[in-house]
Amino acid sequence: GQQLNQSPQSMFIQEGEDVSMNCTSSSIFNTWLWYKQDPGEGPVLLIALYKAGELTSNGRLTAQFGITRKDSFLNISASIPSDVGIYFCAGRNSGGSNYKLTFGKGTLLTVNP
Amino acid sequence: DAGVTQSPTHLIKTRGQHVTLRCSPISGHKSVSWYQQVLGQGPQFIFQYYEKEERGRGNFPDRFSARQFPNYSSELNVNALLLGDSALYLCASSSGGGFLGAGNQPQHFGDGTRLSIL
Repeated sequence: GQQLNQSPQSMFIQEGEDVSMNCTSSSIFNTWLWYKQDPGEGPVLLIALYKAGELTSNGRLTAQFGITRKDSFLNISASIPSDVGIYFCAGRNSGGSNYKLTFGKGTLLTVNP
Repeated sequence: DAGVTQSPTHLIKTRGQHVTLRCSPISGHKSVSWYQQVLGQGPQFIFQYYEKEERGRGNFPDRFSARQFPNYSSELNVNALLLGDSALYLCASSSGGGFLGAGNQPQHFGDGTRLSIL
């Protein structure tokens, strides 16, 4: 099935560093979502973006909806050990098929205390 | 408030068997979607149901079926299990129906059912 291009695939950083990850698509989306998944759990919604160019923050997390509607990025500032996990981007299509989410393959984040 | 709940949490089956997975959405949510997540990949869309009607289907064979009940809970059924069906099956609920005009309501996921096929 279709998956978005998410990069980097994995990151290993020191506590306190900032992190940036992004997601691109060949298709236009009218909604971008960012989720975090911990081992043995389901994805947890971090940020939802509904408008091209929108920049939204949630604590130390900031995400932007690309102006072309084909990309999005997520920044995490001042990382802490509990930020460890897999981060997924997801897009929802425009038009009549706007019920399903298309996911990236995920970015595995490791934070060294 | 309770989130999306799924049962069972883990299940082991053998090839050729049938399995039923269950999902209870967040209270007040009328839409339920099912996703399959194999190891190392993002979730893949299987079905969406809204108000007990199928609203969308992903690229999965007819061995996969689902339904939604009057209380908005849902079941995912898989027949003639194959080794490749081993995965984490996730259920997500949202308040919107996902069709035009229903609004962009984000989907909230349960912790999934880990299905292993031997």
